[in-house]
Amino acid sequence: GENVEQHPSTLSVQEGDSAVIKCTYSDSASNYFPWYKQELGKRPQLIIDIRSNVGEKKDQRIAVTLNKTAKHFSLHITETQPEDSAVYFCAAPPKFNAGGTSYGKLTFGQGTILTVHP
Amino acid sequence: DAGITQSPRHKVTETGTPVTLRCHQTENHRYMYWYRQDPGHGLRLIHYSYGVKDTDKGEVSDGYSVSRSKTEDFLLTLESATSSQTSVYFCAISERREDGEQFFGPGTRLTVL
Repeated sequence: GENVEQHPSTLSVQEGDSAVIKCTYSDSASNYFPWYKQELGKRPQLIIDIRSNVGEKKDQRIAVTLNKTAKHFSLHITETQPEDSAVYFCAAPPKFNAGGTSYGKLTFGQGTILTVHP
Repeated sequence: DAGITQSPRHKVTETGTPVTLRCHQTENHRYMYWYRQDPGHGLRLIHYSYGVKDTDKGEVSDGYSVSRSKTEDFLLTLESATSSQTSVYFCAISERREDGEQFFGPGTRLTVL
């Protein structure tokens, strides 16, 4: 199945700095790459996603870039704030089954604990 | 938050006992998923459902079974709980067959002694 590797496992930055989290995937057919944020004690929530027909997508202070050739995608957070402190997960769909669909399944990276210091 | 609830929210049980976790949704989404979350492993898919009575295994399905008799309910059963199944369990739903957002439930913290 799909193998998703996420780095770093922990990231500590000062408020106002930028943060970058990178994920690599193994299946060249993967075409959808979401990022989820999980605050302490809460459920994961989608913050941004990108499809394979674009190389970059932005939403205010967050952006995701995709390099299909190298099979990696990254989350960029600019002007970090203390409320950005959370665990961030990347994901990619697993290899399609014989019917040609993933049924919406996702393989998640191991997670990055981001701490933003005031 | 999407209309997803999980019950119970917390459970402590003993090794060898059966346990059933329930996921209930009010969104009428077709696709439902059970994940477990453990430190250092992210979210790992246990089982998923692509319709009523249609289920399949995920990457860590050993020791777990599921059932979906209605669109709104997806049950996860640990036939004989083991300490290695101590974890936080999340249910998720999606309305798209491909590349769609998954909405997560609040989670169930299960401790097996």
